Amino acid sequence: DAGVIQSPRHEVTEMGQEVTLRCKPISGHDYLFWYRQTMMRGLELLIYFNNNVPIDDSGMPEDRFSAKMPNASFSTLKIQPSEPRDSAVYFCASSLEATYEQYFGPGTRLTVT
Amino acid sequence: AQKVTQAQTEISVVEKEDVTLDCVYETRDTTYYLFWYKQPPSGELVFLIRRNSFDEQNEISGRYSWNFQKSTSSFNFTITASQVVDSAVYFCARKGLDSNYQLIWGAGTKLIIKP
Repeated sequence: DAGVIQSPRHEVTEMGQEVTLRCKPISGHDYLFWYRQTMMRGLELLIYFNNNVPIDDSGMPEDRFSAKMPNASFSTLKIQPSEPRDSAVYFCASSLEATYEQYFGPGTRLTVT
Repeated sequence: AQKVTQAQTEISVVEKEDVTLDCVYETRDTTYYLFWYKQPPSGELVFLIRRNSFDEQNEISGRYSWNFQKSTSSFNFTITASQVVDSAVYFCARKGLDSNYQLIWGAGTKLIIKP
């Protein structure tokens, strides 16, 4: 079975540019999570969805960040405009309500110069 | 906030030694779930185990074992006969109280297995 798929795996962009990260959850999972991991702050939950509906976006750092889930098999995290402090590894994870186990994608390493 | 504490920032052992990673959690829930994840140098986060609070039986999976002690709010992870491939950062987490599907994460323990 395919796991969580994220693209791109690496993204290097200049400050001020728009960045879009993509995620395909495990088929059948009804929860999707976006995390950010940095050395300074560790693993932070940014937002999560249930059945494509955003439930809690309190972790989104500021208005420059937005996330969508137009259908059960696709989600995006957008940063516009990007800043050097956004450099991090961004993970997408999905889970099935009954188990609470979150399965993570390989992550997108974002570098903003 | 109800925390998950992994007091060991880094542990270094020689291959074939046994090693235990500690996890202590805070909770006011009577029912809760605990998790361990592994993050190898390649960077992905790998789910290892979920434990329900109402099941205090210890779990063994090959060289891995988990000791759940409700009385001390601990969920420790032991690797027996460690191998270099076990080198990774290991995270403990619990299902949060206020946000149904949010995991509360420990800071992680970096495990280094020397050949």
